[in-house]
Amino acid sequence: SQKIEQNSEALNIQEGKTATLTCNYTNYSPAYLQWYRQDPGRGPVFLLLIRENEKEKRKERLKVTFDTTLKQSLFHITASQPADSATYLCALDWENRDDKIIFGKGTRLHILP
Amino acid sequence: EPEVTQTPSHQVTQMGQEVILRCVPISNHLYFYWYRQILGQKVEFLVSFYNNEISEKSEIFDDQFSVERPDGSNFTLKIRSTKLEDSAMYFCASKGQGTGSPLHFGNGTRLTVT
Repeated sequence: SQKIEQNSEALNIQEGKTATLTCNYTNYSPAYLQWYRQDPGRGPVFLLLIRENEKEKRKERLKVTFDTTLKQSLFHITASQPADSATYLCALDWENRDDKIIFGKGTRLHILP
Repeated sequence: EPEVTQTPSHQVTQMGQEVILRCVPISNHLYFYWYRQILGQKVEFLVSFYNNEISEKSEIFDDQFSVERPDGSNFTLKIRSTKLEDSAMYFCASKGQGTGSPLHFGNGTRLTVT
């Protein structure tokens, strides 16, 4: 069955630098991939969606790429700030079903001042 | 901006008791979900609900669990006989029409089973 791997449990980045988070999936190519942010004790908050026919999406300081050959998505935060510190979750549709979205374990990002 | 609300924020119950977790999804959304997150672990899919019936469920969602949309606004998760391992954060989410529409999550109910 489909598995999602977010390779770093935690990542420390100096303020102002670019943070790059990785999401790999193991089996079929999803129709889309989403990224969410989760703060402690709160529900995940949607950030960006990228579809299988898109290579790259941007929103302000965020950029997502999607490589179906490598079965990988990269999530970049440029000019990182301490307020960007959170857990970032990758999510995708399970077996191309839009009614079941599965999540990776997440990467805890710490932006150091 | 409309949001998903969940009550209570924290529920403590004894093993073997029944609990009902409540959610008010965003009003024009059509898909409703429950997810669970055990402390320090990933957000796990439990069940999705569409058109007044369960659309998909995971292996976690066994006979002890049930969901209901009793009226036009509430969406509930019932656990019939709680076990210690049911202790977790339970998140409700909803989404609108359209493939890839984002999930909108509530802030969860922390369930503690003693």
